[in-house]
Parts: sequence; C-alpha cells; structure tokens
Amino acid sequence: SQTIHQWPATLVQPVGSPLSLECTVEGTSNPNLYWYRQAAGRGLQLLFYSVGIGQISSEVPQNLSASRPQDRQFILSSKKLLLSDSGFYLCAWSQGFNEKLFFGSGTQLSVL
Amino acid sequence: AQKVTQAQTEISVVEKEDVTLDCVYETRDTTYYLFWYKQPPSGELVFLIRRNSFDEQNEISGRYSWNFQKSTSSFNFTITASQVVDSAVYFCALRGPNAGGTSYGKLTFGQGTILTVHP
Repeated sequence: SQTIHQWPATLVQPVGSPLSLECTVEGTSNPNLYWYRQAAGRGLQLLFYSVGIGQISSEVPQNLSASRPQDRQFILSSKKLLLSDSGFYLCAWSQGFNEKLFFGSGTQLSVL
Repeated sequence: AQKVTQAQTEISVVEKEDVTLDCVYETRDTTYYLFWYKQPPSGELVFLIRRNSFDEQNEISGRYSWNFQKSTSSFNFTITASQVVDSAVYFCALRGPNAGGTSYGKLTFGQGTILTVHP
C-alpha cells in the first residue's frame, strides 16, 4: 500500500534561518506531488506541484522553493525564513491528474 | 478562475444531532471534480469523497451523505447522528480537468468549517 511520510512534525526557526522540509512517498511510482500551506484562517494554499523529477511549478511567488531530486521525494526549502512563513505545511500526492490527493501528517512551522 | 465557498465558519451541535455543511463552488469548466476532506486535530487531511461533474447522484456512506446539485453549484455534506469523533475541520475542494496542461489536478479549497460535536 502507498504511504506518505513528512518530517519534521514541528519546527521552530528564527527569522533569517534556512528551511528544509522533506516528503517521501512509498508504494507508488511517478506520483504527482504537492506542497500546501495552511495559514491562520485554515485555508489551504497550493505552493508547488510537481509531475516528475526536476519538474516544479510554483503557484505563489514567495520566499520558498521546492525540488524533486527523486521520483518520490519532494523538498520544500527556503534560504531565509520570514515571519510570514509560519504555518502548517502539508505534502500530498496523487496518482493521475484527477485522482484524490493523499496528504501527509503535516509540519507545524513557527518562525520567531 | 475557480472558487469554493464554505459560508459556515463554525458549527456546534450536540451529539446525535444531524448537521449539514454547505459548499458552493464556481468554475467555468464543464468537467470538474468535487471533494470533501476531514482534518481532525492531528492535522492530517483525510479524504472523504470525490464526485465528478457528470454524476449528480447523491451518495450515502454510513452516517455521511452528500447532495450534489449542479443547478445551484452546491455540494453539501450531511452527517447523521453526529458523534464527538466527528469534531474536525471539514474542507470542500474543487479540481478542474487536466486538459490544457496547467491544471495538473490542483485542488482549490474552501476556507473550511469547524465542526464541534458536544457530548
């Protein structure tokens, strides 16, 4: 069966520090991968999606970047965190364009 | 552009009451998909249902039921005989077709409805 792992679960970082959140999927190949952010107010915002290795599309220009070095690995990064980067980050995958998304357990990021 | 509106920010009910969560969507696509997700306190989003725009049949799964009405662009979710374990944030979401190359299955989420079920 397919599983998605996301870590760390919580992270507290100072302003200006770098960020690296990792997400891996097991049990499937060539998944579509997504990073979402859930800020205050609970809305979910799509940040990045990827349909293949090295293929990244950004939905919202901001202080973050994403990479997909391997088929089932998706990384969210920042060189210098801002206070506004605080939020709950969710990784997700889907098999096929119109299939349901499966979400990871999320990372609660607090930038202080 | 796509938009999903969940007008109910918070709902509070007593156990065993029925509760309906509203979802209204906007899209110019003729083919699209609608979803409901549940986010319990743990944070992880749990898939509940997917409905495509061709199929307007209502669906029932245990205590859950969904009423899809294309004429009013609504996809409402009803929990019958609510339980404390149903307490969560519920999200309605919309996905357009992948044709055109830019959709890639991106979901547009509503703002969510916080449901609290009291014992």
